[in-house]
Amino acid sequence: AQSVTQLDSHVSVSEGTPVLLRCNYSSSYSPSLFWYVQHPNKGLQLLLKYTSAATLVKGINGFEAEFKKSETSFHLTKPSAHMSDAAEYFCVVSEPNTDKLIFGTGTRLQVFP
Amino acid sequence: GAGVSQSPSNKVTEKGKDVELRCDPISGHTALYWYRQSLGQGLEFLIYFQGNSAPDKSGLPSDRFSAERTGGSVSTLTIQRTQQEDSAVYLCASSYPGAGTQYFGPGTRLTVL
Repeated sequence: AQSVTQLDSHVSVSEGTPVLLRCNYSSSYSPSLFWYVQHPNKGLQLLLKYTSAATLVKGINGFEAEFKKSETSFHLTKPSAHMSDAAEYFCVVSEPNTDKLIFGTGTRLQVFP
Repeated sequence: GAGVSQSPSNKVTEKGKDVELRCDPISGHTALYWYRQSLGQGLEFLIYFQGNSAPDKSGLPSDRFSAERTGGSVSTLTIQRTQQEDSAVYLCASSYPGAGTQYFGPGTRLTVL
């Protein structure tokens, strides 16, 4: 069975400092992994996805994530946080064949001025 | 182009009433998914339609929940005899099969009093 574990429910950073949101996955297959972002009262937006090509994936708004098979991790990073990055972030794995998404419990990112 | 749309955006109903939630997927997307986002359960898969195949209903929480997709496009999620625990945001997503990326609608916030 596929699953993802987001290691932090809340992360707080100051504007201009790096962001690290941690995610570990469990999968019997070579996984397809995603990060989605949800701003308050908004829908889910895809940040980036990994589908077994390059292990370092670049997404929108300066975010990137690195797939590390040896650590079963897919952590999301950004070099410099912006106030507009404050949102809920979900690490997601998809089931093969159906593409059903299995969501982590989410990490709420707060950015302080 | 137009994204995934959902209606209504908000629905308040009384316990025991039936409700219908509508999803219009992106034109040409043959795969359609319903998910539910609630405080206690996070984001969870409900049902999946792919073309003319029988839907995957494995995520529906009870037989009070049903969904249909007419003409391979618009989908309706019906909840009969609503209960307070049905209160949640219901999200619809669509994709090309095998593409991996699902595009989400803004959701319908259901409140059962």
